[in-house]
Amino acid sequence: ILNVEQSPQSLHVQEGDSTNFTCSFPSSNFYALHWYRWETAKSPEALFVMTLNGDEKKKGRISATLNTKEGYSYLYIKGSQPEDSATYLCAFKAGNNRKLIWGLGTSLAVNP
Amino acid sequence: DAGITQSPRHKVTETGTPVTLRCHQTENHRYMYWYRQDPGHGLRLIHYSYGVKDTDKGEVSDGYSVSRSKTEDFLLTLESATSSQTSVYFCAITSEAGGENSAFFGQGTRLTVV
Repeated sequence: ILNVEQSPQSLHVQEGDSTNFTCSFPSSNFYALHWYRWETAKSPEALFVMTLNGDEKKKGRISATLNTKEGYSYLYIKGSQPEDSATYLCAFKAGNNRKLIWGLGTSLAVNP
Repeated sequence: DAGITQSPRHKVTETGTPVTLRCHQTENHRYMYWYRQDPGHGLRLIHYSYGVKDTDKGEVSDGYSVSRSKTEDFLLTLESATSSQTSVYFCAITSEAGGENSAFFGQGTRLTVV
């Protein structure tokens, strides 16, 4: 059974703090790792898709790294803002399967 | 924004009645998915489609059927709705042109079975 775990489950930070969270996935038969941002009452929005070990992606203050050999990805937010408050989801795709396996997400609350 | 719409956005129905949710896309993407989202479970795949008349079951397919007679439409049917099917349903689409791509999601359909 393929399992994707995200930690921490929730996080509260102050405006201006930098933060990071983890997505753990099976290290064998890797194909791709996705990150999404999901605001309350909206639908998930894509942040990054990573396919190569050592990949680093950046979008504004948000960046992500990928280690396929040990099975983890980090998402970093630099200088958190209240508008960053959302649930951040990761999803793993194995090489022999076209379906995404989703983590439960990390819920981030940024206090002004 | 990807052209993907779900209808209806909200529905209340009675136990035992059939319900059909529609996902419509204007992107001509090949791959379409239906998920349900429940507290503590995250996104769970119900059914998916790789093209017209090409569908397969996801991890929570019992009680659901799908049809895809046109590229742009993917229908999810609850043959006889039960209270356990009260949930928020999301449709998603992806393209595999040029390699692995992100999924784009519809706005969601909140279904309540009473």
